[in-house]
Amino acid sequence: QVQMVESGGGVVQPGRSLRLSCAASGFTFSRDAMHWVRQAPDKGLEWVAVISYDGSNKYYADSVKGRFTISRDTPQNTLYLQMNSLRAEDTAVYYCARGEPTRPYDAFDIWGQGTMVTVSP
Amino acid sequence: QSVLTQPPSVSAAPGQKVTISCSGSSSNIGNNFVSWYQQLPGTAPKLLIYDNNKRPSGIPDRFSGSKSGTSATLGITGLQTGDEADYYCATWDSSLSAGVFGGGTKVTVL
Repeated sequence: QVQMVESGGGVVQPGRSLRLSCAASGFTFSRDAMHWVRQAPDKGLEWVAVISYDGSNKYYADSVKGRFTISRDTPQNTLYLQMNSLRAEDTAVYYCARGEPTRPYDAFDIWGQGTMVTVSP
Repeated sequence: QSVLTQPPSVSAAPGQKVTISCSGSSSNIGNNFVSWYQQLPGTAPKLLIYDNNKRPSGIPDRFSGSKSGTSATLGITGLQTGDEADYYCATWDSSLSAGVFGGGTKVTVL
């Protein structure tokens, strides 16, 4: 069935790095833009980054620009988020989401279950 | 401070209707398409509306969306206890070259 499964979350000290993964299945991963969206504890949703279907275009929220890198391994149907220089304010549940095929940047139609990242000394 | 502005909460009795507003600007809602999401407690968000007013397969027609200028609205009719959740609007911001969400609206069924 169609699903996305995130992994790689955990507890990390400020200034350190972490890489999140999102394994996609049940749809043609190579055709779709993919996003990362995060949600801090008891807060709203915050868009983080998007990568186009072919990896040629990447965009980031100002809050993570220069520190986070989104990438994809199409043969492995996997999306990544490399997070460097982590800060306490990066603590959140991180969701991967598929860009809706007809509106790849405006809507997110398939979501993973999320992986928790905690940045703490 | 979210780029898109939503009311923090709305409420109504079962069977009634609620509307949730989402206000933005010409760089986001005014020139892009709006989507809406439902997030039940402890779960991932779920797409309710895309392209301003289209429903994905499986979403009941009690949920509707509209857009006018730089604002969008989500409507929920025949309110049910299972509709108690947080609702978010989202779109692309062409000036920021970034996705943007509203701050979220908590729907309470009285």
